[in-house]
Amino acid sequence: AQRVTQPEKLLSVFKGAPVELKCNYSYSGSPELFWYVQYSRQRLQLLLRHISRESIKGFTADLNKGETSFHLKKPFAQEEDSAMYYCALWGGSQGNLIFGKGTKLSVKP
Amino acid sequence: DAGITQSPRYKITETGRQVTLMCHQTWSHSYMFWYRQDLGHGLRLIYYSAAADITDKGEVPDGYVVSRSKTENFPLTLESATRSQTSVYFCASTIPGHGGEQYFGPGTRLTVT
Repeated sequence: AQRVTQPEKLLSVFKGAPVELKCNYSYSGSPELFWYVQYSRQRLQLLLRHISRESIKGFTADLNKGETSFHLKKPFAQEEDSAMYYCALWGGSQGNLIFGKGTKLSVKP
Repeated sequence: DAGITQSPRYKITETGRQVTLMCHQTWSHSYMFWYRQDLGHGLRLIYYSAAADITDKGEVPDGYVVSRSKTENFPLTLESATRSQTSVYFCASTIPGHGGEQYFGPGTRLTVT
C-alpha cells in the first residue's frame, strides 16, 4: 500500500537550532517525493522535490531508498520557518499524490 | 487575477443544505483536484479531473459531486451538507506528467452547523 508517514505532529525548536522533519514512505515502485509548506492561513506551496536536489530557504531533503525516508533538514531554524509541513509521494498517476498528515514546526525566539 | 482562485473563502451553512465551492484557474492546466484538510488527517483527495468532462474519485468522494464543463473551472458540490464535511477545502491544478507539483488555491473554510 502507498503510504506517507510523518511521525511528529508537532516539532518545537529554538531559533538557530537544527531542524529535521521526518518522512517515511511505503511504495513498491520508484516514487517522486516532495515537501509542501503551508504558512499560517496561507495556501500550500511546493517547497522541495527530490529529483531537483535543491536547497530552498535553507532546507534540504535527501531521498534514502534503503530506509524509504525523505527527511527535511535545516541547520539553523528561523522564526519565519514556523509552518505546517507536508511530505508527499507521487507514484506517477495523476490522481495519486499521497500526503502525510503533516508536521507543525514551531520555531521559538 | 492570474493563478488559481477559490470562492467563497468562508462559508457557514446548515445541515442538509446544498453548497457549491468554486475553483477557477487561469493557467489552462488540464489537471485539477479537490482536497479536504482536517486535523489529524492531513490532506485527502476528494475528486480530480484530467480534462473537461473527465473526472474521477479520490480517497474520500462520498457526499460530494464535481463537474468540469470548462477547463478553467472545477466546482465541488456538497449535495446535502453534513457536520462531518466541516473542513478546509483546497483546489489544486497541474500539467500532465507533473502530478507531484501541484498549485494550490487559497482554500475555502466551510462550517456546517
